[in-house]
Amino acid sequence: QVQLVQSGADVKEPGASVKVSCKASGYTFNNNYMHWVRQAPGQGLEWMGIINPSGTSTTYAQKFQGRVIMTTDTSTSTVYMELSSLRSEDTAVYYCARSRGYQPGETWGQGTLVTVSS
Amino acid sequence: QSALTQPASVSGSPGQSITISCTGTSSDVGGYNYVSWYQQHPGKAPKLMIYEVTNRPSGVSNRFSGSKSGNTASLTISGLQAEDEADYYCSSYTSSSTRVFGTGTKVTVL
Repeated sequence: QVQLVQSGADVKEPGASVKVSCKASGYTFNNNYMHWVRQAPGQGLEWMGIINPSGTSTTYAQKFQGRVIMTTDTSTSTVYMELSSLRSEDTAVYYCARSRGYQPGETWGQGTLVTVSS
Repeated sequence: QSALTQPASVSGSPGQSITISCTGTSSDVGGYNYVSWYQQHPGKAPKLMIYEVTNRPSGVSNRFSGSKSGNTASLTISGLQAEDEADYYCSSYTSSSTRVFGTGTKVTVL
């Protein structure tokens, strides 16, 4: 079945970087872009960006420009999201989601909790 | 890019119909037919309910329907059921080629 499996929870200190992985299976990896969406505790969904399967094209939300890098590894069907200069406000659950058309579609990862704390 | 505007909460009795609005601008909701709706239960990942304004993915109940008029999109849930109690978010493509989510609506089944 179509599945996205994300890396486990992580705790980082302010100023550090975090890299979250999202491994795809059950479909042809090269057929779909991937979105990253985050959700702070008790807050709404926030779109972070999108990457094409080959990793040659990315679009990031203006809020994260300069702090986020999305990459892919086609050999392992894995997408990565790295966020740098972490601050407490970056504490959130981070989701990857396979694109359907222009938007996040039916398939989402299970979410990765990133906690930023000293 | 500001979040799309949704009512904070909507409630209804079992069997009733409710409608959730999602208001944006001509640079997002009004400019493209790329509006999606997501349902999220506590502690769970979001679930796609409607895509491209009116389309339902396979397996989603036909009690869920979407529409759009001008800069406002809407999600209607008919025959409200207890299992529909959740948070709902709209999302739109934007003129900057980014996407933006709505502020979210908590649906309560009375």
